[in-house]
Amino acid sequence: DTEVTQTPKHLVMGMTNKKSLKCEQHMGHRAMYWYKQKAKKPPELMFVYSYEKLSINESVPSRFSPECPNSSLLNLHLHALQPEDSALYLCASSQDLSGRASTDTQYFGPGTRLTVL
Amino acid sequence: AQSVAQPEDQVNVAEGNPLTVKCTYSVSGNPYLFWYVQYPNRGLQFLLKYITGDNLVKGSYGFEAEFNKSQTSFHLKKPSALVSDSALYFCAVSLTSGTYKYIFGTGTRLKVLA
Repeated sequence: DTEVTQTPKHLVMGMTNKKSLKCEQHMGHRAMYWYKQKAKKPPELMFVYSYEKLSINESVPSRFSPECPNSSLLNLHLHALQPEDSALYLCASSQDLSGRASTDTQYFGPGTRLTVL
Repeated sequence: AQSVAQPEDQVNVAEGNPLTVKCTYSVSGNPYLFWYVQYPNRGLQFLLKYITGDNLVKGSYGFEAEFNKSQTSFHLKKPSALVSDSALYFCAVSLTSGTYKYIFGTGTRLKVLA
């Protein structure tokens, strides 16, 4: 099973709201990723967790706050977002065998379509 | 700097004809190359990857890709296109430094005409 699930599918929020996106995988993968994707553009990496520790933060504004409670779950907490943050947010996971991250396949979830009003 | 180029924004092909979606790369060291497909309002689905070995890689849904080191290319091919293959295709290269980053191409929209 190569499934990554994401909830909710759609989210509409105001600029003063606080919301969270959730991602789950049961493939035993130890790396998990958040990407942001604008229409007809490639995904842009935001965060990477490896073995539940934050490994990469691509200079993402602090209004986005990631959390990895355990090896299967990844959350993205949202607060005080701007309309330009409206996008498809994708979660992905990969095996993350030590020293071979470059060759790993990333498996993507279906995404959460976020609209900020 | 490492980069990936998909020179065509859109490719149109008639159903039943062979299709090619082009990808060229520029990396230092050995390239690790991937193809993904994205249907509207969905995540990316993995098609195939080249790590080492045979230059012809076979993947999901009848797709294949040929790694050409001299031309630094990794074109995606299918012998007979289906209308259901219409989607957005991304080529990606993985940095060889052991990090987790993909560099994605800009994407190619494939339209298969009935």
